[in-house]
Amino acid sequence: KQEVTQIPAALSVPEGENLVLNCSFTDSAIYNLQWFRQDPGKGLTSLLLIQSSQREQTSGRLNASLDKSSGRSTLYIAASQPGDSATYLCAAASGYSTLTFGKGTMLLVSP
Amino acid sequence: ETGVTQTPRHLVMGMTNKKSLKCEQHLGHNAMYWYKQSAKKPLELMFVYSLEERVENNSVPSRFSPECPNSSHLFLHLHTLQPEDSALYLCASRPTGTGKVGGYTFGSGTRLTVV
Repeated sequence: KQEVTQIPAALSVPEGENLVLNCSFTDSAIYNLQWFRQDPGKGLTSLLLIQSSQREQTSGRLNASLDKSSGRSTLYIAASQPGDSATYLCAAASGYSTLTFGKGTMLLVSP
Repeated sequence: ETGVTQTPRHLVMGMTNKKSLKCEQHLGHNAMYWYKQSAKKPLELMFVYSLEERVENNSVPSRFSPECPNSSHLFLHLHTLQPEDSALYLCASRPTGTGKVGGYTFGSGTRLTVV
């Protein structure tokens, strides 16, 4: 059974810092890995999708990497801003219907 | 808006009520999902409808009943719920048939409170 772990559970940084969020998964037989952002009480917004054949994806200040063999993915946020404050979730797709989520990293960026 | 629309956004219901949650997408996706998000827990898959399969999480109580009349609409019918069913219910959709597993698009969710 796939298990996804996200570290740290919470992170507080001053504005402008570069930061890394970590995601690990136990079953490397994944189709893709997706990073989401969730604001309090809201739904999930997709940030980046990395297919199993890819090593990384970039969108603006965000860069996500995937290392299937070690069961790890990282989300790098450059020059963090207060508007980046949210919970970040990673999810591993092990099949058509099996998307396993981590518990998330709650990020607070202070001005 | 993400392209997946959920209504209502908020719902308060008594334990004897019957209500339905609605999800609609016009992204051309062929798979739709219901997820439950409770405090301090990872998202839990409840139901899947797709061209490839229909999957039900056997741990979901029968007081939750899904309905998928077509590939654009998904409902979750609720009856005789319990207070522990209070949660954020999220609908998602995904493209299929491309030879690879596409990314998920989520709606904004329905915040359900059972009193």
